[in-house]
Amino acid sequence: GDSVTQMEGPVTLSEEAFLTINCTYTATGYPSLFWYVQYPGEGLQLLLKATKADDKGSNKGFEATYRKETTSFHLEKGSVQVSDSAVYFCALSGMSSASKIIFGSGTRLSIRP
Amino acid sequence: KAGVTQTPRYLIKTRGQQVTLSCSPISGHRSVSWYQQTPGQGLQFLFEYFSETQRNKGNFPGRFSGRQFSNSRSEMNVSTLELGDSALYLCASSMPRDRGRQETQYFGPGTRLLVL
Repeated sequence: GDSVTQMEGPVTLSEEAFLTINCTYTATGYPSLFWYVQYPGEGLQLLLKATKADDKGSNKGFEATYRKETTSFHLEKGSVQVSDSAVYFCALSGMSSASKIIFGSGTRLSIRP
Repeated sequence: KAGVTQTPRYLIKTRGQQVTLSCSPISGHRSVSWYQQTPGQGLQFLFEYFSETQRNKGNFPGRFSGRQFSNSRSEMNVSTLELGDSALYLCASSMPRDRGRQETQYFGPGTRLLVL
């Protein structure tokens, strides 16, 4: 079945460092790919998405490119801030069941001032 | 436009009791999905409702059920609560697209349930 694998955390960086969180997926056909973020004590917020190969999703300085050839959707940010500290989830919505999102296990990110 | 709202935000129950959680979707959204989040199992899909009908279901026992009303609001019920049901329950709404195209789901803040 469909699945998402993302790098385990926690990830700790200094402010203004470059961020990469790796995400790979297994799915039939052409799923939509998402990154969600969860701040402490809150629900999930959609950070960015991409719906077809080579699409680049971007928001708040974060970017991720849908790579069909490597089945990847890595999250990147050039300069992180303390306010980016949160848990990040990579996710997919497959062709077979568009209403069901498959999530990765989440990566906790902590940014030091 | 108001986001997805969930009530209550926090709940404490004891084993054997039942609980009902409520979710109001974004205005105009007709699909509501429910997820359970626990530290051990992560985020798991419970079920999805569209036009008052369950359209998709995850791998949860029959103690977990739901329904959707004509105004798209949804409720989730868990009967005979177990300690392992302690979790954050998240509701998400979406506006269904054409058949075969994926939907973007928008999540509420969740209801945190503690079973003692």
